[in-house]
Amino acid sequence: GAGVSQSPSNKVTEKGKDVELRCDPISGHTALYWYRQSLGQGLEFLIYFQGNSAPDKSGLPSDRFSAERTGGSVSTLTIQRTQQEDSAVYLCASSPGRQPSSANTGELFFGEGSRLTVL
Amino acid sequence: RKEVEQDPGPFNVPEGATVAFNCTYSNSASQSFFWYRQDCRKEPKLLMSVYSSGNEDGRFTAQLNRASQYISLLIRDSKLSDSATYLCVVNIPDDYKLSFGAGTTVTVRA
Repeated sequence: GAGVSQSPSNKVTEKGKDVELRCDPISGHTALYWYRQSLGQGLEFLIYFQGNSAPDKSGLPSDRFSAERTGGSVSTLTIQRTQQEDSAVYLCASSPGRQPSSANTGELFFGEGSRLTVL
Repeated sequence: RKEVEQDPGPFNVPEGATVAFNCTYSNSASQSFFWYRQDCRKEPKLLMSVYSSGNEDGRFTAQLNRASQYISLLIRDSKLSDSATYLCVVNIPDDYKLSFGAGTTVTVRA
């Protein structure tokens, strides 16, 4: 399809295991974002990529979290030694431009998310 | 203080009613404002941008009050399909990320 694709859609893992979440953005979109949404909470910004570079990783909750993007396209978010508080929906979004603004409609195109449950 | 705060609701309204709710933001330098809609267990989608003079999109009206640092969304003639969580979203200049509120839940009943 033409939209943002994320996998897996659901992941149940045991505490202490590593997980890898994948995002395939809309073709041609240079900006890619990872957000996290816990139940009843707003979207928490994790990391932003412009091309393959991540200018700001300050949103990553701890050093157990890492992300990379290759070829200006697919991105993976890796969580090592998962903890129960990591349980959330991890949303990936892409946009055509560098900065969302009213000028470019401010639209981020989200994938359906990866629902992570850590037991 | 959170960057964006919203009344979580829920707002339960009958079909045909008007419902309105606000969102406040903390950064006075904020320049871009949006409402996103999120259906249950679905991804957020852009509903509309919010312009300084206020703007309408069909049954939806958005307004911005810079002095008091809040934006509002009004839904006229509510439809069952308007049931969703509405996310207030704010962006400051030179910042690439959008700041999202936790959302206001609206339920329209028959």
